[in-house]
Amino acid sequence: NAGVTQTPKFRVLKTGQSMTLLCAQDMNHEYMYWYRQDPGMGLRLIHYSVGEGTTAKGEVPDGYNVSRLKKQNFLLGLESAAPSQTSVYFCASSYSVSDEQFFGPGTRLTVL
Amino acid sequence: DQQVKQNSPSLSVQEGRISILNCDYTNSMFDYFLWYKKYPAEGPTFLISISSIKDKNEDGRFTVFLNKSAKHLSLHIVPSQPGDSAVYFCAASDPDKLIFGTGTRLQVFP
Repeated sequence: NAGVTQTPKFRVLKTGQSMTLLCAQDMNHEYMYWYRQDPGMGLRLIHYSVGEGTTAKGEVPDGYNVSRLKKQNFLLGLESAAPSQTSVYFCASSYSVSDEQFFGPGTRLTVL
Repeated sequence: DQQVKQNSPSLSVQEGRISILNCDYTNSMFDYFLWYKKYPAEGPTFLISISSIKDKNEDGRFTVFLNKSAKHLSLHIVPSQPGDSAVYFCAASDPDKLIFGTGTRLQVFP
């Protein structure tokens, strides 16, 4: 099992460009999450999904959109990237909310 | 306003001694707590959890204590090893998501 994978691992964007981050899990988990990690800020939840076809806003959703068309995939989109979105992005999945979350290796995004 | 707080950004401990990492929360409705460990350039990994029906949970060298009246939990690592050097996050389970603290960087030196 690959667990949780994230694509790409690194990306540099210019302000205003768009991109999509892909998260895939092979553990048949219902719950999937997108976080960003910034120095001194810990892990902040962007959006999450409690099942295929569902999405919900987290703590810092502005500037991001998500889709969960398939149970195993959770996509995070940036329509018009801003320097404030420079961060490390982590995807995670879990069977239920009270189970441990399994995290991907992260995507380091720099917006110039 | 932060609902889960880790007030110590860093902690330095000698190998073999005890490491104590602290976490405070504000919402008395939280009933399940987890600790995650993160090495550089990797995603966090689950370490240990505790339900509010318990006040202690042990797993090898790691013990988590929960004081509900004080809204405080702590992670004890005994004995500390150099491989424990990492960032530790505590998290509280909200109805359908986790709320993470800002993390404590633990350094274990020889």
